[in-house]
Amino acid sequence: DAKTTQPPSMDCAEGRAANLPCNHSTISGNEYVYWYRQIHSQGPQYIIHGLKNNETNEMASLIITEDRKSSTLILPHATLRDTAVYYCIVRASNSGGSNYKLTFGKGTLLTVNP
Amino acid sequence: DAGVTQSPTHLIKTRGQHVTLRCSPISGHKSVSWYQQVLGQGPQFIFQYYEKEERGRGNFPDRFSARQFPNYSSELNVNALLLGDSALYLCASSSGAQNTEAFFGQGTRLTVV
Repeated sequence: DAKTTQPPSMDCAEGRAANLPCNHSTISGNEYVYWYRQIHSQGPQYIIHGLKNNETNEMASLIITEDRKSSTLILPHATLRDTAVYYCIVRASNSGGSNYKLTFGKGTLLTVNP
Repeated sequence: DAGVTQSPTHLIKTRGQHVTLRCSPISGHKSVSWYQQVLGQGPQFIFQYYEKEERGRGNFPDRFSARQFPNYSSELNVNALLLGDSALYLCASSSGAQNTEAFFGQGTRLTVV
């Protein structure tokens, strides 16, 4: 799986959009970009994933550049409860049930301030 | 719907002892993975099981073993515990379908003294 690079920490004001960047310059054509977050002492929580098109769900939006070498996770209106470590993970397409492995880095600690 | 459940939530063991951690996946999910997370680091992959077969193994010693039962629940066993095995052990379940997300439990906090 390709390596990802994320800033170690970011701050965001409550109510503003939080934009979390991730570089994955060695990503290959069959690798997806996944985002998870982990609130202190809890299990990681799935946020969103995508291959090459931008994706949006009720939690966030994922913007992937055209060359797929970087992506941005957008939390449109950050709240204090969004304070967490955010992990960007690149993972190869799995052939149904096999080899489901997530390689976590150190992630970005997002702190949402009042 | 019940999410991924892990037991126990906290555990204290002595060096050299053995420990068994348990995980029940989301109903209908056939794949279970185990991760170890030490303080300040991201989770590290230990094992993945699908349909009761091991499908992936991380870089962990043979003291670590796991199995999956016919109801898709899973156990992680660690023998001859070391102080360095102190960590949060996470279980994740997924349906097994292609390119789907994994859902994590709240973890078991293991402290080895």
